[in-house]
Amino acid sequence: QLQLQESGPGLVKPSETLSLTCTVSGASVGSSSYFWVWIRQPPGKGLEWIGTIYYSGSAYYNPSLKSRVTISVDTSKNQFSLKLNSVTAADTAVYYCARSTAAGSSAFYGMDVWGQGTTVTVSS
Amino acid sequence: QAVLTQPSSLSASPGASASLTCTLRSGINVGTYRIYWYQQKPGSPPQYLLRYKSDSDKQQGSGVPSRFSGSKDASANAGILLISGLQSEDEGDYYCMTWHSSAWVFGGGTKLTVL
Repeated sequence: QLQLQESGPGLVKPSETLSLTCTVSGASVGSSSYFWVWIRQPPGKGLEWIGTIYYSGSAYYNPSLKSRVTISVDTSKNQFSLKLNSVTAADTAVYYCARSTAAGSSAFYGMDVWGQGTTVTVSS
Repeated sequence: QAVLTQPSSLSASPGASASLTCTLRSGINVGTYRIYWYQQKPGSPPQYLLRYKSDSDKQQGSGVPSRFSGSKDASANAGILLISGLQSEDEGDYYCMTWHSSAWVFGGGTKLTVL
């Protein structure tokens, strides 16, 4: 059974870099069948896609965050990671990792399995 | 104007049907888009319900009851999530999503109350 688990600091200072990792069990991040996704949800608000990555390293980012975001994949650890730099209070959110099924090497369906999420607060 | 617009709230009675709409921005034709639907309960991650583009291009999420179904209303330029035989456990927030201009975009969500 596929499981995704987010991990990382729950508190990040303004202007610093938010770093999270998603550990995948029950599937391989190195599989050509899936893409891997980060999404976030500010307190009391809706969902926002951050970015998507393929095992090859090809990544797709939300244009509104692209200048600050890097998503990477580590097949040896079966993990993928998110880095968001220059954070502000507006980046306070629950961060989710999720899986998308591939529809080719550069196309994918929506997210069908989500992690439980991890809360990140940006505050000094 | 947002790409996807959802009513903020909807109430319906147990046993009844609820139709949740997801309206695409003017100029974006719903017919060419896959619309995804998610259910979220307080303190939990979103759960994938289904995706719908057409009757020949749709998918039910794993373990999702058949009383959840997707469709489109071309005249309203909207995707629709129909929940039949409403149960108290169906209460929650429902989000639609689609791929537009090289990005996943979500609707603002509809809070469904079953009372």
